[in-house]
Amino acid sequence: AQSVTQLDSHVSVSEGTPVLLRCNYSSSYSPSLFWYVQHPNKGLQLLLKYTSAATLVKGINGFEAEFKKSETSFHLTKPSAHMSDAAEYFCVVTPGESSGAGSYQLTFGKGTKLSVIP
Amino acid sequence: DTGVSQNPRHKITKRGQNVTFRCDPISEHNRLYWYRQTLGQGPEFLTYFQNEAQLEKSRLLSDRFSAERPKGSFSTLEIQRTEQGDSAMYLCASSLQLSPLHFGNGTRLTVT
Repeated sequence: AQSVTQLDSHVSVSEGTPVLLRCNYSSSYSPSLFWYVQHPNKGLQLLLKYTSAATLVKGINGFEAEFKKSETSFHLTKPSAHMSDAAEYFCVVTPGESSGAGSYQLTFGKGTKLSVIP
Repeated sequence: DTGVSQNPRHKITKRGQNVTFRCDPISEHNRLYWYRQTLGQGPEFLTYFQNEAQLEKSRLLSDRFSAERPKGSFSTLEIQRTEQGDSAMYLCASSLQLSPLHFGNGTRLTVT
């Protein structure tokens, strides 16, 4: 079984200030974790992924996330918000390919809407 | 790489009618997924194909829903006897083994 909790449904930051979007996960297997971003009326775009290599993962557009097994967290950060970052962000967990889970379901959190104030 | 393509983008139908959506994955991708997203929620898994074989189905996929992927290329998702609760965004994604999913822009279904 697996689940994802995104701790904030809405985060608002000023342009140029840091972004922190929080995610906690639960998984019976060694998980793979992802962050996806969804702009209005668009599909989901992969920001970054963790698949049991380095615990600090760098993604596109200056985002990064740190896998902390002891805290079962995978928070998304960016040093300086840009207006174009305003979107909805989803934290996603799946059993790792080598986990033997036999399932490739992605489980999504409910999403965090990021607003960027000029 | 032209991305994952979904058609139609929008579908409005009356309750009780049947609808069919199409997904064209990235050409070399062997895995294809269907997800459903309702307002204010994250996408929920519906079903998954590896090549032409349907390997997983969610309990969300009632007997009114059927998905196919003939020849392991494009896929169709059919909903029979639509209900208002079926109104949602239906997302298709594809991937190669061991790679993340690439999503299409979705088909928004409205059942009146």
